[in-house]
Amino acid sequence: GEDVEQSLFLSVREGDSSVINCTYTDSSSTYLYWYKQEPGAGLQLLTYIFSNMDMKQDQRLTVLLNKKDKHLSLRIADTQTGDSAIYFCAVNQAGTALIFGKGTTLSVSS
Amino acid sequence: SAVISQKPSRDICQRGTSLTIQCQVDSQVTMMFWYRQQPGQSLTLIATANQGSEATYESGFVIDKFPISRPNLTFSTLTVSNMSPEDSSIYLCSVDLGQGAGGYTFGSGTRLTVV
Repeated sequence: GEDVEQSLFLSVREGDSSVINCTYTDSSSTYLYWYKQEPGAGLQLLTYIFSNMDMKQDQRLTVLLNKKDKHLSLRIADTQTGDSAIYFCAVNQAGTALIFGKGTTLSVSS
Repeated sequence: SAVISQKPSRDICQRGTSLTIQCQVDSQVTMMFWYRQQPGQSLTLIATANQGSEATYESGFVIDKFPISRPNLTFSTLTVSNMSPEDSSIYLCSVDLGQGAGGYTFGSGTRLTVV
């Protein structure tokens, strides 16, 4: 089955850019998502990208997809302390459940 | 975008008892998904619930422990049966609203503690 891998921790300084990486195994994955989870809170959908796209930008967020390497990244520009959270990568095929990575804990210091 | 209401938001239960979690969507959806998030862990899919048919369970999850109902296209329940402390987790329901309507959206979760 699908396997989704993420690095577990990332630490950046306020104002810097953060890049969170994700790799997946199923080349037929169609939809790729990034979710944010703050302590004690639910999942917030940040952005998503279709497999026929290479890049998607949404304000401070940029998603890059390398289908050949099955690699997805999330770049957060001008990272703020409020961006400190766990970020989950999730992938699926149309009509099926999402498969999640283990999550990357982003720590932003001022 | 559609709203998913999940309840209860949290509960503390005695071991050996059962808890039923409800998930209500304000639009009709074909599939609803139930996930478990154990402390400090990622989300693991428990089962997929289709209206009018038996739920499809993932490896490691069985119907006797996690019975699911899906009586209509807007509602589902997940029961955690004969609970033990190992069942202490956050349980979340999710639906696919379609890419133009918010994509995969999650309920706010049920934080279960078994004592």
